[in-house]
Amino acid sequence: GDSVTQMEGPVTLSEEAFLTINCTYTATGYPSLFWYVQYPGEGLQLLLKATKADDKGSNKGFEATYRKETTSFHLEKGSVQVSDSAVYFCALTSYNTDKLIFGTGTRLQVFP
Amino acid sequence: DAGVIQSPRHEVTEMGQEVTLRCKPISGHNSLFWYRQTMMRGLELLIYFNNNVPIDDSGMPEDRFSAKMPNASFSTLKIQPSEPRDSAVYFCASSPAKIGTKNIQYFGAGTRLSVL
Repeated sequence: GDSVTQMEGPVTLSEEAFLTINCTYTATGYPSLFWYVQYPGEGLQLLLKATKADDKGSNKGFEATYRKETTSFHLEKGSVQVSDSAVYFCALTSYNTDKLIFGTGTRLQVFP
Repeated sequence: DAGVIQSPRHEVTEMGQEVTLRCKPISGHNSLFWYRQTMMRGLELLIYFNNNVPIDDSGMPEDRFSAKMPNASFSTLKIQPSEPRDSAVYFCASSPAKIGTKNIQYFGAGTRLSVL
């Protein structure tokens, strides 16, 4: 079945460091890809999405590019802030369903 | 817009008791999802509804769990009887999606359930 694999956390960075969180997927057809973020004590919220190959999603300085050839959707940010500390979830939906399939989440900790 | 509203935010109960979690989706959204989040199993989809009709309940753990959506603005997730292993954060999410489309899901703040 469809699945999402994320890198294990936690990822610990100093403020202004470069961030990459790896995400790869397995899916039939042409899924849509998402990154959701969960701040402490809150529900998940959409960070960015991409619906077809080579699309780049971006928001709040975060970017991810839908790479069909490598089945990847890695999250990047050039300069992280303490306020970016959260858990980041990669997810996909297949073409014939509205179900979101989530990765296990990657905790990011940014220190001043 | 108030977003997805879940109640209660925290619930502490004893094993064997009935627990009811509530969700009010965003007005105009026609899909509603219930998730469970634990450290061991991560985020799991329990059930989802489209236009108040259950579409996929394959994630519901067992007969102790039931979910209803009597109208477009309200859903419940009930656990009877509750067990300690049901302790988790339960999220409700809604989406303006029709089946087969790719719209965004909007999550509530969750209900943290502790079964003693």
